[in-house]
Amino acid sequence: GESVGLHLPTLSVQEGDNSIINCAYSNSASDYFIWYKQESGKGPQFIIDIRSNMDKRQGQRVTVLLNKTVKHLSLQIAATQPGDSAVYFCAENPTGGGNKLTFGTGTQLKVEL
Amino acid sequence: NAGVTQTPKFRILKIGQSMTLQCAQDMNHNYMYWYRQDPGMGLKLIYYSVGAGITDKGEVPNGYNVSRSTTEDFPLRLELAAPSQTSVYFCASRHPHRGTGTEAFFGQGTRLTVV
Repeated sequence: GESVGLHLPTLSVQEGDNSIINCAYSNSASDYFIWYKQESGKGPQFIIDIRSNMDKRQGQRVTVLLNKTVKHLSLQIAATQPGDSAVYFCAENPTGGGNKLTFGTGTQLKVEL
Repeated sequence: NAGVTQTPKFRILKIGQSMTLQCAQDMNHNYMYWYRQDPGMGLKLIYYSVGAGITDKGEVPNGYNVSRSTTEDFPLRLELAAPSQTSVYFCASRHPHRGTGTEAFFGQGTRLTVV
């Protein structure tokens, strides 16, 4: 079946370094993707989104890259801070999928001081 | 503007009991969702609704029911609680358009334990 998956379950980075979190998706009909951050004990919080007609979108310290050829999505966090420690999820919205958002398993980002 | 509000935050149920998880949003969003999240896992879609009076099953609907009588409210009902339903439940809502800036907003979750 269709799925959204993440390459790495845990990513450890040094404070100040850049972080790259990857996501593979298999539904070629998806046209909208979202990155969420979830801190312990809280609900997911929106970080950034991108439509399939774009290959890059930038926010404050974050950049999302979309490669439709290989069905790959990445989230880049610049100058990672301790407050960035969380689980990061990518979600996809398939065209004609009833506007369902499908989530991957998540990547735990740990920022080391 | 409260966003998405879920109640209760925590609940312990005995096997076979029933309960309703409440979800309300004040953003006038047409789309609402219920997800469950097991420890160390991602979110699995239980049910969703694209507007008042319309509901659809997600990936894991068995053991749950929903209703959508108003745009604001989307309660999730567990009729016969089972240990497998121990999880954290998240409600979300979003605007119906599909461009950027139509992300789903999540509540803070309801932690349910069935014993």
